[in-house]
Amino acid sequence: NAGVTQTPKFQVLKTGQSMTLQCAQDMNHEYMSWYRQDPGMGLRLIHYSVGAGITDQGEVPNGYNVSRSTTEDFPLRLLSAAPSQTSVYFCASSYAAGGGYTFGSGTRLTVV
Amino acid sequence: RKEVEQDPGPFNVPEGATVAFNCTYSNSASQSFFWYRQDCRKEPKLLMSVYSSGNEDGRFTAQLNRASQYISLLIRDSKLSDSATYLCVVMRVGNTGKLIFGQGTTLQVKP
Repeated sequence: NAGVTQTPKFQVLKTGQSMTLQCAQDMNHEYMSWYRQDPGMGLRLIHYSVGAGITDQGEVPNGYNVSRSTTEDFPLRLLSAAPSQTSVYFCASSYAAGGGYTFGSGTRLTVV
Repeated sequence: RKEVEQDPGPFNVPEGATVAFNCTYSNSASQSFFWYRQDCRKEPKLLMSVYSSGNEDGRFTAQLNRASQYISLLIRDSKLSDSATYLCVVMRVGNTGKLIFGQGTTLQVKP
């Protein structure tokens, strides 16, 4: 099993550019989430999904969009990148809401 | 006030020592509790779930005190490989899968 796969691993964007961070899992997990991790802030929830076709906002959703058309994929779209979105982004999935989550290896994004 | 609070440390301990971390949470509606481990520049990995009755996994023991709203993690016989950041995580009632992370406690085990 590949687990949770995130691409790309590193990305540099210019302010105003848009891009999509990819996340795919092969464990047939219903629950998927996107987090960002900043120094001194811990991980903060951006968006999450409880199944295909169902998404909701987390703690810091502004500037990001998500969709969940399949169980396997949960892409995160940055609409117009800003320097404040420089961060490490983690995607995670779980078989159940109360279960442990498996994280991808992260995408390190720099916005200049 | 953060919903989940941890002492960021660092905790510097010698090999073989016993070390304990505490974590407090402010939302009494929190339902599920976890400890995750994160190595430098890596993704978090589930260490253990925390149950009301307490639970043990080898050298690791987790306790939950709902009345005082705190969670603890005890590591016995520390190994060099235990050096990492330990993240306290809670999930609110409603089973939405929304995890709330503490800032993490850094442990450095020295020879």
